[in-house]
Amino acid sequence: ETGVTQTPRHLVMGMTNKKSLKCEQHLGHNAMYWYKQSAKKPLELMFVYSLEERVENNSVPSRFSPECPNSSHLFLHLHTLQPEDSALYLCASSQRPRASGGNEQYFGPGTRLTVT
Amino acid sequence: GDSVTQMEGPVTLSEEAFLTINCTYTATGYPSLFWYVQYPGEGLQLLLKATKADDKGSNKGFEATYRKETTSFHLEKGSVQVSDSAVYFCALNDMRFGAGTRLTVKP
Repeated sequence: ETGVTQTPRHLVMGMTNKKSLKCEQHLGHNAMYWYKQSAKKPLELMFVYSLEERVENNSVPSRFSPECPNSSHLFLHLHTLQPEDSALYLCASSQRPRASGGNEQYFGPGTRLTVT
Repeated sequence: GDSVTQMEGPVTLSEEAFLTINCTYTATGYPSLFWYVQYPGEGLQLLLKATKADDKGSNKGFEATYRKETTSFHLEKGSVQVSDSAVYFCALNDMRFGAGTRLTVKP
């Protein structure tokens, strides 16, 4: 495997379910990110991890809970979601955290989440 | 605060037409600027970048020049192909993205 992988690619869950999204990067990067992509809305940065430490949490509801056990893996634990949480959830990684010059991100293919 | 404004789409062009997608930004200091592309069913991938004023980023026939005086980073391509159909995002290096512009190229 190369680059950034995400599983599952598609997920349908009820509002009372608990599920987790998984992201893995094979690039040796030190920073990882979760984004939410909804139709007709700008990409929303949710969480930023640098060297396994959460460095940013952009006012995300507590029903989304991130976990970064090591620099290669990132999880997003989901519980008691709402239908408006249906979206494409993208994971990304970069060599260094944000605001470093020329610091591009590498994205996974995303998990398409539908909350019923 | 820092922000990115991108022209709204969708944009529909015929093959071999000239493409411009406008991007302007508001930022303190001197951010790096990026264009990302998202093909159907995929995540975003870096298309090109520029790290300082007057830099020109280029890749796959696409170009963008970092214009500090107009705070702009417009994306251009001289002759688009059907395979260029995708959503294009302008971004600052602090991970602030524009809303995206959907491009459809018809044969």
